This record gives sequence, C-alpha cells and structure tokens, in this order.
Amino acid sequence: NAGVTQTPKFRVLKTGQSMTLLCAQDMNHEYMYWYRQDPGMGLRLIHYSVGEGTTAKGEVPDGYNVSRLKKQNFLLGLESAAPSQTSVYFCASSQRENNEQFFGPGTRLTVL
Amino acid sequence: GDSVTQMEGPVTLSEEAFLTINCTYTATGYPSLFWYVQYPGEGLQLLLKATKADDKGSNKGFEATYRKETTSFHLEKGSVQVSDSAVYFCALSDPYFNKFYFGSGTKLNVKP
Repeated sequence: NAGVTQTPKFRVLKTGQSMTLLCAQDMNHEYMYWYRQDPGMGLRLIHYSVGEGTTAKGEVPDGYNVSRLKKQNFLLGLESAAPSQTSVYFCASSQRENNEQFFGPGTRLTVL
Repeated sequence: GDSVTQMEGPVTLSEEAFLTINCTYTATGYPSLFWYVQYPGEGLQLLLKATKADDKGSNKGFEATYRKETTSFHLEKGSVQVSDSAVYFCALSDPYFNKFYFGSGTKLNVKP
C-alpha cells in the first residue's frame, strides 16, 4: 500500500494564480483532512471530509476550496493565491473521526 | 474547548540522555491520546497512542502514560539517539466533539 500520497511535492506560484493539490489514499478511509503547517504554529486544519461527496470547514478555510468526488481523493484548490498561503500542506486520512490519522509527505508551496 | 499544550522547544540533549517532553490536555469526555513524530522534510508519523486512562503507549523505546488525574501524556525515552532528532506532536481525539487536536510541536535536537 502506498498509504497517503500528495501531488505535487513542491510548487512556486505568483500572486493571483490558481492551483490544485491532490491527495490520494488507498486505505479505504472515510475521513480525509487538509492541514497547513507554518513555522511556530503547528498544524492548522483547513478543510475536512467525512465521506465521499461531503466537505466541511476547519480552522482556517478562507481562500481555499475542496472537493471529494471520489472516496480515495481529496482535492485542495487555491483560486487566487496570496503570499500568506506560502506554507507546507499536509493531507491526512483516518478510518473514523476518532482514529489515528495517516499523513502524506506534504507539499511545499511558495507564493511570490 | 478542547486543547493540547506542549512544552516549548527546542530541546537539545546529548546522545544517551533521558528525554521528557511534557504534554497536557483539556477535553470533554474521554479522549484518545497520541504522539506523532515528524522527521525533517517528511509528514507526521504515529509514534504511539493510548485510548483510556492508565494505558501506556510504547514504540521504538518511547513511552507515554495516559494520566487522567493530571490530564497529562508526557513522552519519555531512556536513552536518545541522534536519529531521534525530529519534531514531536502531542494530539488528542475527542469523541464527544468528533474533533482531533494537535499541540504546537516540540523540536528535539540530539547531539553526538
């Protein structure tokens, strides 16, 4: 099993550009999450999904959109990137809401 | 609301020293508790967990005991190695609110 994979690993954007980060899991997990990690601030939840076709806002959802069209995939979109969105983005999945989360390797995004 | 508080880092130790990273929590109900480790450039990996009071989680020489009376889940290792250098995150899963909370992380540097 590959576990949780993320695409791409690195990306540089200019302010105002858009992009989509892809997360895929092969563990048949119901729950998926997007976090951002900034220096000194730990992990902050952006959006999450409790099943195919459902999404919900986390702690810092502004400027991001998500979609969960297939159970195994969770997409994070930035419609108009801003320098404040420079961060490392992690995707995670879990079987249920209280179970341990499995993390992907991260995507390092820089917005100039 | 629920929260997790970890000791601030960085923590710098010499090889073979004893490690303690403090973690305390606030939660409604009966949470599960976790320690995750993040090696440089990687995602978070589950290190150990405990699901009820007085449980001891252990893995790779690390241990943590779920102490309900002191609302703590301190991480310990008797003899650290250079390869243990990483960032350690304490986390809790609260079944009452169906939420997962991470601490801010503690960076450990182990010198040879």
